[in-house]
Amino acid sequence: DAKTTQPPSMDCAEGRAANLPCNHSTISGNEYVYWYRQIHSQGPQYIIHGLKNNETNEMASLIITEDRKSSTLILPHATLRDTAVYYCIVRARRTGNQFYFGTGTSLTVIP
Amino acid sequence: GAVVSQHPSWVICKSGTSVKIECRSLDFQATTMFWYRQFPKQSLMLMATSNEGSKATYEQGVEKDKFLINHASLTLSTLTVTSAHPEDSSFYICSARDPASPAETQYFGPGTRLLVL
Repeated sequence: DAKTTQPPSMDCAEGRAANLPCNHSTISGNEYVYWYRQIHSQGPQYIIHGLKNNETNEMASLIITEDRKSSTLILPHATLRDTAVYYCIVRARRTGNQFYFGTGTSLTVIP
Repeated sequence: GAVVSQHPSWVICKSGTSVKIECRSLDFQATTMFWYRQFPKQSLMLMATSNEGSKATYEQGVEKDKFLINHASLTLSTLTVTSAHPEDSSFYICSARDPASPAETQYFGPGTRLLVL
């Protein structure tokens, strides 16, 4: 399984862009990168996913490097409600496509 | 996005009793669901993969006789914690894989908080 590495914590000023990095240097060619976030005491919320190309939706943008060894989740205008733990996951290659969560990045948006 | 519900949202029980948690996919059919457990200040830990109409696949170290999983329909999976003990107190979260998604995205339920006294 490809493993991911994320910084344990980050701060971001309200209204500014939050850039959350993820390293997945052992990713294989057919594995997607997924981003989820977990607000305290809730289930994880799907944010975005990508394979090779950069992706954007109403929540965030996902930038994947050309070699696919790392990616960055961008929240363009962070709000206080974006304070959460953000998880970068690479889909397991084993049958069943399980997700294995790392420790994630705890993002704190500061007023 | 797709919606997954869990019931109950929280439960308190006495040691030795069994507790059943339901996970439902509300607007899609899920042939595969997953069960996770999360202890305070820790990440989610995958417990088992639940496949509709077949036996669940448990992760290493998870007792299959203690955590009974049933996936009898395409929209419902249940997790039963048998003979619960205080160390089973945790936040239990399910997810369902959306087969319509080319990337097989998983959608998570809101979680069930279990407290065993």
